[in-house]
Amino acid sequence: EDQVTQSPEALRLQEGESSSLNCSYTVSGLRGLFWYRQDPGKGPEFLFTLYSAGEEKEKERLKATLTKKESFLHITAPKPEDSATYLCAVQGNAGNMLTFGGGTRLMVKP
Amino acid sequence: ETGVTQTPRHLVMGMTNKKSLKCEQHLGHNAMYWYKQSAKKPLELMFVYNFKEQTENNSVPSRFSPECPNSSHLFLHLHTLQPEDSALYLCASSHRDMDTEAFFGQGTRLTVV
Repeated sequence: EDQVTQSPEALRLQEGESSSLNCSYTVSGLRGLFWYRQDPGKGPEFLFTLYSAGEEKEKERLKATLTKKESFLHITAPKPEDSATYLCAVQGNAGNMLTFGGGTRLMVKP
Repeated sequence: ETGVTQTPRHLVMGMTNKKSLKCEQHLGHNAMYWYKQSAKKPLELMFVYNFKEQTENNSVPSRFSPECPNSSHLFLHLHTLQPEDSALYLCASSHRDMDTEAFFGQGTRLTVV
């Protein structure tokens, strides 16, 4: 059974204070690891897909990295508008469905 | 706008009511999904449809009944729900045979009273 654990559950940062979110996973044959952003009362919004260890993707202040056991979402000089819940999900050999972690709720104070 | 539209956005229903949630995608995808998101819990996969055929039922109670008339539309029929079924119900779609991301709708916030 695929499993995803995200830490921390919540993270408070000051504007400009860089940090990282962790996603640890176990999966039977990783086909893809996905990062999503979710704002309150809305559906998850796709950010990145990573396919193999060593891969990195960047988008504005966000950078996602992948190893064989975990992924990190690095946030550089965050702004208040980066406040959201960040979700990690994996897709394994069992099928095309995604298994999600519990998310990290990020709050960036001005 | 993600290309996946869910209606209604909010729904309040009694335990004896029957209602339906609707999802529509215009992305040319051939796989559609229902997820349940409860407070303090990860997204839970409920149903998967590939090419209109149900390929996954994640031990969901029979008071939830999905329907996929074509690859662009997905319904979730609800009857005799319980208060603990109150949650955000999310629809998503993707390409079936490609390792690509799923796109989500905005969800239906369901409250069972």
